[in-house]
Amino acid sequence: KQEVTQIPAALSVPEGENLVLNCSFTDSAIYNLQWFRQDPGKGLTSLLLIQSSQREQTSGRLNASLDKSSGRSTLYIAASQPGDSATYLCAVRRATGFQKLVFGTGTRLLVSP
Amino acid sequence: GAGVSQSPSNKVTEKGKDVELRCDPISGHTALYWYRQSLGQGLEFLIYFQGNSAPDKSGLPSDRFSAERTGGSVSTLTIQRTQQEDSAVYLCASSLGLQADTQYFGPGTRLTVL
Repeated sequence: KQEVTQIPAALSVPEGENLVLNCSFTDSAIYNLQWFRQDPGKGLTSLLLIQSSQREQTSGRLNASLDKSSGRSTLYIAASQPGDSATYLCAVRRATGFQKLVFGTGTRLLVSP
Repeated sequence: GAGVSQSPSNKVTEKGKDVELRCDPISGHTALYWYRQSLGQGLEFLIYFQGNSAPDKSGLPSDRFSAERTGGSVSTLTIQRTQQEDSAVYLCASSLGLQADTQYFGPGTRLTVL
């Protein structure tokens, strides 16, 4: 059974800092991995998707890496802003069978001005 | 519509009552998914539809939960005889197909069972 863990559970940083969120998964047979952002009272917004054959993806100030063999992914946020405050979730899709998303428990990020 | 919509946004009910949660997917999306997000349990998958068919219902937590989809569009998640442990945010998502990479999520329905 695929289990996805995110560390830290919560993070508070001052504006401008670079930060790293971690995601680990137990079964390396994945199809892809996604990072989502969730704002209070709103649904999930997809930030980055990394296919199993890729090592990283970048979008603006966000960079996500994937090390499938070790079961790890990191989300790097450069020059953090108060608007980045949200809960960040990683989710993996397995390589076989129906490809449902298995989510981690999330990292709650607070960026202070 | 522009995105996935869900109704109601909030639902408070008494233990033992039945509730219906509605999801309107993005037009043209053939795949639809239901997830539940509760404190301490994270976000868990419940059921998916390809068209109007739900091939695997094993993710539903109990036989009090059921879901249907009609016309390849709107889906309803029904919880009968609600219990306090059913309190959670119920999220719906849709995608172009089961093989599509991106699932688009709705804002969720927050269910509180008193």
